[in-house]
Parts: sequence; C-alpha cells; structure tokens
Amino acid sequence: DAGVTQSPTHLIKTRGQHVTLRCSPISGHKSVSWYQQVLGQGPQFIFQYYEKEERGRGNFPDRFSARQFPNYSSELNVNALLLGDSALYLCASIGGRSQETQYFGPGTRLLVL
Amino acid sequence: EDQVTQSPEALRLQEGESSSLNCSYTVSGLRGLFWYRQDPGKGPEFLFTLYSAGEEKEKERLKATLTKKESFLHITAPKPEDSATYLCAADGSSNTGKLIFGQGTTLQVKP
Repeated sequence: DAGVTQSPTHLIKTRGQHVTLRCSPISGHKSVSWYQQVLGQGPQFIFQYYEKEERGRGNFPDRFSARQFPNYSSELNVNALLLGDSALYLCASIGGRSQETQYFGPGTRLLVL
Repeated sequence: EDQVTQSPEALRLQEGESSSLNCSYTVSGLRGLFWYRQDPGKGPEFLFTLYSAGEEKEKERLKATLTKKESFLHITAPKPEDSATYLCAADGSSNTGKLIFGQGTTLQVKP
C-alpha cells in the first residue's frame, strides 16, 4: 500500500514569496495533520483537518493556512515567507485503532533565502 | 502547559550494548503515547502506540513501556542500523489531533 506522499520534496524560495505544499494521505484515511520541524527539534503542530474541516490549529501566525479536498488530500499555504520559515514540513495521515496514530510522509524541505 | 521531555539528547553505544531512552510527559488526559524513529532528512517512522500505564509493546530489538509520568524505549543488543533519532510524542485530551513532541534522542551505535 502507498504511504503518505508529499510534494515537492525540496523547495527554495525568497523572503516575501508564497509557497504551497501538497500531501496525499494513506488510502482510506480521512484526516491529515501538518507539522513544522526545524533542524534539531521535534515537529511542531500546525493544523489538523478531518473530513475537510479544520479540527485543530497550533500556535502559528495567520500567514499559515491549509485546506483539505474531497479526496482527502491537503495543501499547506504559507504567505509572506520569512527566513525562519525554513524547515522540514511534514504531513501525517491519521488512522489506527482509535483514529489516533499519525503516519508521516517524507516531508518537504523548504529553504527561504 | 502540556510538555514532553526526552533524555538523553544524544546517546552513543557500542554494538550489543543495551540501553534505555526516557520520555517524561506532562499531559492532561493522555489519549496515546507514540514513539517514532527518524533518519536524517526523512519523515518520522511510526514504531509504537501506548494507551495506558503498564502497557508494553515490542518490535525486534525495541521495547516500549508506559507509566503515568514516563515512557521508556529499551534497546536490546543494538546494531549500527538502529542509529537514528527517536522521537516521543503525546496526544492529550484537546481532541485537536495535536501531537506534542519531545526534542528527540539521537542514538549512534558503533560497530
């Protein structure tokens, strides 16, 4: 079975630009989460979507937004990029016994210059 | 405030030298405690979910245990291929799907 897929794998942007990251969950999973992981730290929660509705939001500015589509894929958008937005952006697909286990994709490495 | 702390930050072992990684958590209404393995530049790979104190899970050389305040990841007779960063994460009662991660323990196993 295909796991979580994310695109692109790597991205270089300059300050002030906009970026869109994409994620496809595991087949049959209806919920996705987005995380930001800065080098040397654990992932930080950005959003979770379930059945196209936002279920949770982390402590990130309004420059960060997301949406989920009818096929359960998701996009993370970041506006007005800052140098500090450089990180590995992870998407997780949610399943398991009680719909709590999060299975992560390979991530998108974003570098802001 | 919900918090997860892992120790040590880094651990060097000789091949075959068993040890344990610690994850201390302060989370109200724990719904699940998760362990992941992460290789450099890659996404975290799911290892275990623990739901209640006293629960244990095993997979090859790894064994995870859970108490009301801590979780341990025991590594028995590690091999060089076990070298990675091990992340612990807690799911609290907020029902937002938010996992609270520790900073990770980077394990290096030398042959």
